[in-house]
Amino acid sequence: DAKTTQPPSMDCAEGRAANLPCNHSTISGNEYVYWYRQIHSQGPQYIIHGLKNNETNEMASLIITEDRKSSTLILPHATLRDTAVYYCIVRPGGATNKLIFGTGTLLAVQP
Amino acid sequence: GAVVSQHPSRVICKSGTSVKIECRSLDFQATTMFWYRQFPKQSLMLMATSNEGSKATYEQGVEKDKFLINHASLTLSTLTVTSAHPEDSSFYICSARDGARGDETQYFGPGTRLLVL
Repeated sequence: DAKTTQPPSMDCAEGRAANLPCNHSTISGNEYVYWYRQIHSQGPQYIIHGLKNNETNEMASLIITEDRKSSTLILPHATLRDTAVYYCIVRPGGATNKLIFGTGTLLAVQP
Repeated sequence: GAVVSQHPSRVICKSGTSVKIECRSLDFQATTMFWYRQFPKQSLMLMATSNEGSKATYEQGVEKDKFLINHASLTLSTLTVTSAHPEDSSFYICSARDGARGDETQYFGPGTRLLVL
């Protein structure tokens, strides 16, 4: 599986956009980029995923560079409840392919 | 949709006893479920992949005789920690994939915190 690199921590002011970067320079053509987050003492929550195109849902937007070597997760209006560890994971397509979690980015939303 | 539950949410047991943790997909059928373990201040570590009706596939270093996994139905997988010891104290989390929708996304349960005294 391709490895990802994320900053260990970031701060963001409440109400502002949070932009979380992820490098995955060794990603293969059939590997998806997934984002999950884990609020303290809870199970991870699925946010969004994409292959090549940018994606948007009710939670966030995912911007993938044209060469697919990096991506950015955007939370458009961060709230205190968005404080969590955010994990960027690349995973091949296929039903039983595993999610391998790295260390993620601890996003602290400040009031 | 895509809700996964776990029971119990937390359990305390004596050393040497066995503990069973249930993982259920509430509104979908899960042909594949995964079990993870997370120690304090660390990331999630995949323990095993569970396919309905077949034996689980364990990750390297995970003792299959200690962590028994059963996936007898499309909505239930169980993890039994046998002869638990204090070093087995951890946060155990399951995930499930909604096979019917053709969605490869994994949805996670809320986790079970195990404390072995």
